[in-house]
Amino acid sequence: DAGVTQSPTHLIKTRGQQVTLRCSPKSGHDTVSWYQQALGQGPQFIFQYYEEEERQRGNFPDRFSGHQFPNYSSELNVNALLLGDSALYLCASSFLGTGSSYNEQFFGPGTRLTVL
Amino acid sequence: AQTVTQSQPEMSVQEAETVTLSCTYDTSESNYYLFWYKQPPSRQMILVIRQEAYKQQNATENRFSVNFQKAAKSFSLKISDSQLGDTAMYFCAVGSNYKLTFGKGTLLTVNP
Repeated sequence: DAGVTQSPTHLIKTRGQQVTLRCSPKSGHDTVSWYQQALGQGPQFIFQYYEEEERQRGNFPDRFSGHQFPNYSSELNVNALLLGDSALYLCASSFLGTGSSYNEQFFGPGTRLTVL
Repeated sequence: AQTVTQSQPEMSVQEAETVTLSCTYDTSESNYYLFWYKQPPSRQMILVIRQEAYKQQNATENRFSVNFQKAAKSFSLKISDSQLGDTAMYFCAVGSNYKLTFGKGTLLTVNP
């Protein structure tokens, strides 16, 4: 059973460019959350997708957008890249379908984005 | 709004000894959960232990246990019989409605 997978592993972009990061959730999961982890910091919540819609959003500008596909995989898009966007981007999946109040989030290995 | 504070940026312990990592939090939510995650040098975040805030009994998972003091909003992690494989960044997090808010982490080094 594959866990959460992310691609690419590493990415180098220049300021002003756009980037797309991809995430495949753990088998059986229907919810994907994205986090940004700057060097030496804890992860910060960007947003969460469920049923192909953004369900919750953290304190990130509109340059950060996402999408969830019918197969539950997800993309994170960042436009007009800034040097400060350099970070490890983590995807986490969980199962919301039962409506229970808690479902463990399983994290992927992350994508290391460097903006020059 | 939720905040999590981990006041120990780095800690070290000898193999087989016990170590306690501290965490305090603040949340306006009435229903929430508390977590400790481990992030080894390979980067993948792994759940160590979780605690439902409505439960008074402290969670235990093998060598890992928590001391949950709800009134003080404190949630410390105790690792018993430390092993070399416990070397990692440890993050405390508070979660509700599936959003997790993390602290800045504590780098734990287990020395042989």
